[in-house]
Amino acid sequence: EVILAESGGGLAQPGESLRLSCLGSGFNFNMSWISWVRQAPGKGLEWVANINHIGSETYYVDSVKGRFTISKDNTKNSVFLQMDSLRVDDTAVYFCGRDSGWGSLDYWGQGALVTVSS
Amino acid sequence: VMTQSPRSLSVTLGQPASISCWSSQSLVHGNGNTYLHWFQQRPGQSPRRLIDQVSMRDSGVPERFSGSGSGTFFTLKISKVEAEDVAVYYCMQGVAWPHTFGQGTKLEIK
Repeated sequence: EVILAESGGGLAQPGESLRLSCLGSGFNFNMSWISWVRQAPGKGLEWVANINHIGSETYYVDSVKGRFTISKDNTKNSVFLQMDSLRVDDTAVYFCGRDSGWGSLDYWGQGALVTVSS
Repeated sequence: VMTQSPRSLSVTLGQPASISCWSSQSLVHGNGNTYLHWFQQRPGQSPRRLIDQVSMRDSGVPERFSGSGSGTFFTLKISKVEAEDVAVYYCMQGVAWPHTFGQGTKLEIK
């Protein structure tokens, strides 16, 4: 069974940092692209970032470039999203998903809530 | 930019439903494939992929769901709406970075 589990969410003040983790199991993690997608309260889905199977290629939505960093550790079956200089509008549930190719997320985690508020 | 229509849909059980999705650019890659996908998000749940690359239905997705289209215009159809179809439906383009979702279409039962 494919499982993706996010952790690391919580409350941060504007300007602070948080690090999300996505632990994968039940599939060949070493060969998989992983994406992060977020959903602000009551809003739609927004693609945030993704990383290729070996961690050598990364892509970001413009609104997080320079503030968020996605990384992958295949020895730990994990992908991380380091979120720096957090803003109030980063408040959202963050989902990680296995990207089967070209943005097509075939498995999703349950989500991690990030709240940025003073 | 991905645009969906309608933004909300109220359908009688057993009746068909159709959701449209437009892209501001062609979603056909140079390799000939079209990277437009459809996702369903039921209330309180994580999203789930329904359709991969325009028309390939995922395993376990009922046959009443179908996807079609080409270039910049795509459609998700439900042949006969059931109660479990209450959800928000999103199209998403994966041909270019950043990948982008449509605004979503909320399906309700009339």
